[in-house]
Amino acid sequence: GQNIDQPTEMTATEGAIVQINCTYQTSGFNGLFWYQQHAGEAPTFLSYNVLDGLEEKGRFSSFLSRSKGYSYLLLKELQMKDSASYLCAPLDSNYQLIWGAGTKLIIKP
Amino acid sequence: GAVVSQHPSRVICKSGTSVKIECRSLDFQATTMFWYRQFPKQSLMLMATSNEGSKATYEQGVEKDKFLINHASLTLSTLTVTSAHPEDSSFYICSARRQENSPLHFGNGTRLTVT
Repeated sequence: GQNIDQPTEMTATEGAIVQINCTYQTSGFNGLFWYQQHAGEAPTFLSYNVLDGLEEKGRFSSFLSRSKGYSYLLLKELQMKDSASYLCAPLDSNYQLIWGAGTKLIIKP
Repeated sequence: GAVVSQHPSRVICKSGTSVKIECRSLDFQATTMFWYRQFPKQSLMLMATSNEGSKATYEQGVEKDKFLINHASLTLSTLTVTSAHPEDSSFYICSARRQENSPLHFGNGTRLTVT
């Protein structure tokens, strides 16, 4: 079957760094997306990894290891507005996005 | 960046009436559009996948006669909730992508309340 595993909730301090881990099992693999979703809003695209390694985009970086079925999203210099849910979504062999429940990130001052 | 427009953002309707939600990709042609539903504090649930000019593919448990999807062009898809009931109250979100391995870009969602 297809499965996504992310922590349900994480708490971090403003200005700090946080790493949100994701492990996945899919039927085939065509890359992995990370999305941010604020409460009551639609998701917004953050990053896409298809090859192993780290992709950096400003304060956010995303890492992928295909052999381990593992990805993480790294958020630096945390701001209060980063409080949101972060969704890890791999793309399977049929190019269908598989959605997990996401990780709710709470930022404290 | 890619923009997907969804209207209306919020709608309140009476039980038994129908509601149409529009989804447009404003600056790209979307080969595929997706319709999701999300209940409070729950995951995104894919309802159907829509390809331009062909019938939508519905996920298991989603009634195709209740949730009518029309994908008339490469930039427009509509979802009509027919004979709405209070249990249909939810957050409906459309998304679109250029091609298979492109990111999904989401509309702002439609919050439907059926009284």
